[in-house]
Parts: sequence; structure tokens; C-alpha cells
Amino acid sequence: TQLLEQSPQFLSIQEGENLTVYCNSSSVFSSLQWYRQEPGEGPVLLVTVVTGGEVKKLKRLTFQFGDARKDSSLHITAAQTGDTGLYLCAGKDSNYQLIWGAGTKLIIKP
Amino acid sequence: NAGVTQTPKFRILKIGQSMTLQCTQDMNHNYMYWYRQDPGMGLKLIYYSVGAGITDKGEVPNGYNVSRSTTEDFPLRLELAAPSQTSVYFCASSRLRVETQYFGPGTRLLVL
Repeated sequence: TQLLEQSPQFLSIQEGENLTVYCNSSSVFSSLQWYRQEPGEGPVLLVTVVTGGEVKKLKRLTFQFGDARKDSSLHITAAQTGDTGLYLCAGKDSNYQLIWGAGTKLIIKP
Repeated sequence: NAGVTQTPKFRILKIGQSMTLQCTQDMNHNYMYWYRQDPGMGLKLIYYSVGAGITDKGEVPNGYNVSRSTTEDFPLRLELAAPSQTSVYFCASSRLRVETQYFGPGTRLLVL
């Protein structure tokens, strides 16, 4: 069974600080996606990374796919209260099925 | 654009009752999916459909049934509700299997 482990499970920091959350697996994925989910809503796709070592930036968010395509990280610079939410990673297996991590719940305090 | 809509938003069922969770998409997507999300766990795929009349099991199909009579609708049926089915259920759709999935707002189900 393929598993994606996200860490930390919960993170609470002050506005303006930097943070990194991780998504790790022993399996190789053809691509990896990061989603953000707000209470009472479904996940919304932030980014898809495909190539080992790939780095993508979305304003203050930087996403990296590991060289071996088994892990990924999300770095947020100068966090804002609007970044609060549940961050989920999901890897696409060889059957194009999404394997989901349990998520990192992020709270940015003003 | 409505995107993916789900009804109801919240429901309480007694053990053994049945219900249908509704899902509709207006994007003319071929693929539709049902997931459940439990606290502290990743989303689990229950069933998916590649087009009208075609459905297939996901990772956790037991206790559920689906049908896909039209491109737009993909209802999920619970025949004999059990406490283990307490969860938040998300419907999603995508044009192709490899493309982005768009999620509905979810249905929160409590089985007592």
C-alpha cells in the first residue's frame, strides 16, 4: 500500500514567519499535487509538480519535488493570516489514482 | 459557474437507514469521483466513473453503491448506514483522468 506522510500534522505560527511542511513516501509518484482546504469546503489545487527536482513558485509559496519523486516540500515565506488552512499533498500513482496524505493544519496568528 | 455541487450539506442517519448523496457537475467532465475524508486521514477513493454508464470501485467501496446515468450526475448510495460511515464525503470531477480534479463542498454525514 502506498502511503504519503505529511509533517507536521499541526503548525501554529505568527504572521510574518517562514515555514516548511513536508510530504514523504517510500513510493515513487508520476506527479505530486498540493491542495489547500478551508473549513466546510473541498480541496483546491495549488500546484502540480512532475519532474524530479522541480521547483515551482506561487507568490510566497515555493513547492519542491524530490529528485527521486518520492517526497515534496511546501515553503511559505512571510506567512499571512490568509494562509491559514489544511494543506494536503496527493501523489498520482501509475494508474493515475491519487494517494492522499492526511494533511498539515496551518494556523497563522495575527 | 456552479462547478461541482453536492447535497445535502449535513445529515444525521440512524444505523440501518439508507440515503443518497447527490453530486452534479456542470463542466461536462467525463470523470467523476467519490471520496471520504476522516479526521487525521487522507482522502480515500470510494468509487469513480469514466463516463455515463461506467463505474468502478476505488479503495474503500464496501457499503456504498453508485450509478452514472448522465454525464452531469453521480449519486452515492448508502444502503445500511453504519457508524463507520460517519465521515465527510466529497465528490470531484475532471475532464480526463490525468487532469485537475475539481471538488464539491462536501456532505458531512453522522451515523448514530
